[in-house]
Amino acid sequence: ETGVTQSPTHLIKTRGQQVTLRCSSQSGHNTVSWYQQALGQGPQFIFQYYREEENGRGNFPPRFSGLQFPNYSSELNVNALELDDSALYLCASSYRDRGRREQYFGPGTRLTVT
Amino acid sequence: GDSVTQMEGPVTLSEEAFLTINCTYTATGYPSLFWYVQYPGEGLQLLLKATKADDKGSNKGFEATYRKETTSFHLEKGSVQVSDSAVYFCALSDRQGAQKLVFGQGTRLTINP
Repeated sequence: ETGVTQSPTHLIKTRGQQVTLRCSSQSGHNTVSWYQQALGQGPQFIFQYYREEENGRGNFPPRFSGLQFPNYSSELNVNALELDDSALYLCASSYRDRGRREQYFGPGTRLTVT
Repeated sequence: GDSVTQMEGPVTLSEEAFLTINCTYTATGYPSLFWYVQYPGEGLQLLLKATKADDKGSNKGFEATYRKETTSFHLEKGSVQVSDSAVYFCALSDRQGAQKLVFGQGTRLTINP
């Protein structure tokens, strides 16, 4: 069984730029969630996609957007980057229909905004 | 809204010591509860879970019991090893909507040989 993978591992961007992060869900999973983890903090929920539609959103502005593709891979896009966007971005996949709530995380993408 | 509070870290113990990391939660419904572990430079790994009151989750010698009356889910291990050094996160998942995970701030654990 293939686990959750994310790319790239690290990324450095300049304030005002745009970034796209990618995630491949664990085999058999149909739901993907994205979290932002600032240094020394717990992860914060950004949004979730289920069957290619946004299924819930945390307290993040619209410049954070996402996509889920038919193969259940996903993208997180962030426009107009700000210094505070520097964080570890975690993708987590799960299988919603069976009512399970455990989510399986990828290794994360470390984004640095300068 | 829902929230999770963990004991402040960092926690430093000697090998074979007894471990307790406290976790309490606030939730409007009946959430599922989780402990995740994060090793240096890695993502989060699910350590254990409990889905209803009085359930006990266990894995790799770690245990936690879902206590509805005290809204707690404390993590325990009888004898820690150096390899248990990591950051531990308590989390809850609501049963409605996106069933998103709400995390505590994390507790850094260091085990000395």
